[in-house]
Amino acid sequence: EVQLLESGGGLVQPGGSLRLSCAASGFTFSSYAMTWVRQAPGKGLEWVSVINNSGGRTFYADSVKGRFTISRDNSKNTLYLQMNSLRAEDTALYYCAKGGYSSTGFDYWGHGTLVTVSS
Amino acid sequence: QSVLTQPPSASGTPGQRVTISCSGSSSNIGSNFVFWYQQLPGTAPKLLIYRNNQRPSGVPDRFSGSNSGTSASLAISGLRSEDEADYYCAAWDDSLIVWVFGGGTKLTVL
Repeated sequence: EVQLLESGGGLVQPGGSLRLSCAASGFTFSSYAMTWVRQAPGKGLEWVSVINNSGGRTFYADSVKGRFTISRDNSKNTLYLQMNSLRAEDTALYYCAKGGYSSTGFDYWGHGTLVTVSS
Repeated sequence: QSVLTQPPSASGTPGQRVTISCSGSSSNIGSNFVFWYQQLPGTAPKLLIYRNNQRPSGVPDRFSGSNSGTSASLAISGLRSEDEADYYCAAWDDSLIVWVFGGGTKLTVL
């Protein structure tokens, strides 16, 4: 059974940093692209970033480019999102999702971890 | 403003057929697969349709997807109360080099 467990969310002041983690199990992690998607309170889904299976290629939404960094450790079956220079508009539930190539989409999602940026 | 355009709301009565549209452009829907996600209240999104019209195992055949040019549609037949949810379309955009989502459609079963 595929399981994705996000952690690392919390309350942070504007300008601060957080690192999210997503522990994956139930599939061969190193064979799949992985994605972060966020959802602001009461709003729709917003794609954040994707990383290919080896970690050698990454893509970002314009809204986070230069501030967020996606990475993965295939030996630990874990996906990361380093978030710097956080802004109030980054407040959202952050989901980790399996997949991310244009032909596969995101077939499994975690339950999300909440990030609140506020002073 | 979302790159993919969906109606904000849709509704139907039990047993009816409803359709949700998703309008894009040649760089996303026109050249890449469309995916549909269902988000029940208070839960994470779930893959409903992949590669335009394929259903993952466990998704009832009441749900179907179709494409035409730069638009896509999700159809739900035999509407049931448990279908009340938010529905999102998504596709890769070759020009923006990002994934794009529709703004979501809230389906109400009357």
